[in-house]
Amino acid sequence: KAGVTQTPRYLIKTRGQQVTLSCSPISGHRSVSWYQQTPGQGLQFLFEYFSETQRNKGNFPGRFSGRQFSNSRSEMNVSTLELGDSALYLCASGSGSDEQYFGPGTRLTVT
Amino acid sequence: AQKVTQAQTEISVVEKEDVTLDCVYETRDTTYYLFWYKQPPSGELVFLIRRNSFDEQNEISGRYSWNFQKSTSSFNFTITASQVVDSAVYFCALSGLMEYGNKLVFGAGTILRVKS
Repeated sequence: KAGVTQTPRYLIKTRGQQVTLSCSPISGHRSVSWYQQTPGQGLQFLFEYFSETQRNKGNFPGRFSGRQFSNSRSEMNVSTLELGDSALYLCASGSGSDEQYFGPGTRLTVT
Repeated sequence: AQKVTQAQTEISVVEKEDVTLDCVYETRDTTYYLFWYKQPPSGELVFLIRRNSFDEQNEISGRYSWNFQKSTSSFNFTITASQVVDSAVYFCALSGLMEYGNKLVFGAGTILRVKS
């Protein structure tokens, strides 16, 4: 079974730009969660999508948004990038009531 | 609110030593789940174990063992006869009833360095 895939793996953007990250979950998994990892704040939950609906949301500003498609693939978007958005963005795939499996992450650098 | 505390920021051991990583959690839920993940330098979080709040049995998997004590709200992880390949950041995490959503609350992580 293929694991969770995230694209791109690395990204460099400039302040003020926007970015879209993609996550393809494990086949058959309907839940996709996103996490931000920074040295200062650690691992923080962004949001979770289940069957194309946002089921949970963390405490992040509205610049962070996401969506899930009918094939369970998910995208997250960050608009008006700030230097503090530089982080490793991790996506997790789950069946809905089971453990979550993480992808390799997308490392975003904002300059 | 849920909270996970990993008081040990960094631990260094010599190969073949046993090492225990501590995890203390706070939650008001009666049903909850506890996890351990390993993050090697590549960055990917590797799932190690999940326990639910009703199962306090200790678990052993090869060189890994976990001690869950509800009375002290702790879920500690022991690596026996550590190896260099065990060097990584280890995270303890907590979630509520997963049928209502998968939201993991992570501890700050413990950096484990195993020297040869």
